[in-house]
Amino acid sequence: DTEVTQTPKHLVMGMTNKKSLKCEQHMGHRAMYWYKQKAKKPPELMFVYSYEKLSINESVPSRFSPECPNSSLLNLHLHALQPEDSALYLCASTTNRRAGANVLTFGAGSRLTVL
Amino acid sequence: TQLLEQSPQFLSIQEGENLTVYCNSSSVFSSLQWYRQEPGEGPVLLVTVVTGGEVKKLKRLTFQFGDARKDSSLHITAAQPGDTGLYLCAQERGSQGNLIFGKGTKLSVKP
Repeated sequence: DTEVTQTPKHLVMGMTNKKSLKCEQHMGHRAMYWYKQKAKKPPELMFVYSYEKLSINESVPSRFSPECPNSSLLNLHLHALQPEDSALYLCASTTNRRAGANVLTFGAGSRLTVL
Repeated sequence: TQLLEQSPQFLSIQEGENLTVYCNSSSVFSSLQWYRQEPGEGPVLLVTVVTGGEVKKLKRLTFQFGDARKDSSLHITAAQPGDTGLYLCAQERGSQGNLIFGKGTKLSVKP
């Protein structure tokens, strides 16, 4: 079983809906990530939180809004998405967010379909 | 710009065959990680290589890191259907080590 838990596993939403993806880890990791993965493509970095502060936003559209309520939780709020946003959204965490020691533990992902 | 090149992109082989996948970069890696991802799951770390020339073995998987730390290979001996998946190499980028992935090699091992 993965130690990073993502919910829901599957989500179908319309373009006018507001929904959220949730991620939780209890490994004491202080850095958490959202990646987006389209079919047959590698994961692409969206957001990085370090010590509950957003430190990287890879120019992701504002219809994606991350939130880190505490060091164990990471949410991704979704609003007014487009069909091309359909993808697997992966959450990951790490304990040592520094060069040479950044090994990520991934969740199983949330499969999002936007109609 | 894609800094990590993986080849081949797709590989379909019979059970028992050997295979090698490659990961190359135009810049030097501080370290390199290999992950495997099965359908509907997140990537799972296989190995981290740090030292140029390093060789690591994980059962039937052998990982090599080039002497110049700009390339790496993954060799699988006697592939099994359970080896099927997407193999991703990943490079740390920036002073805080954000992980960036290569395009991946999609391996299919047929019984």
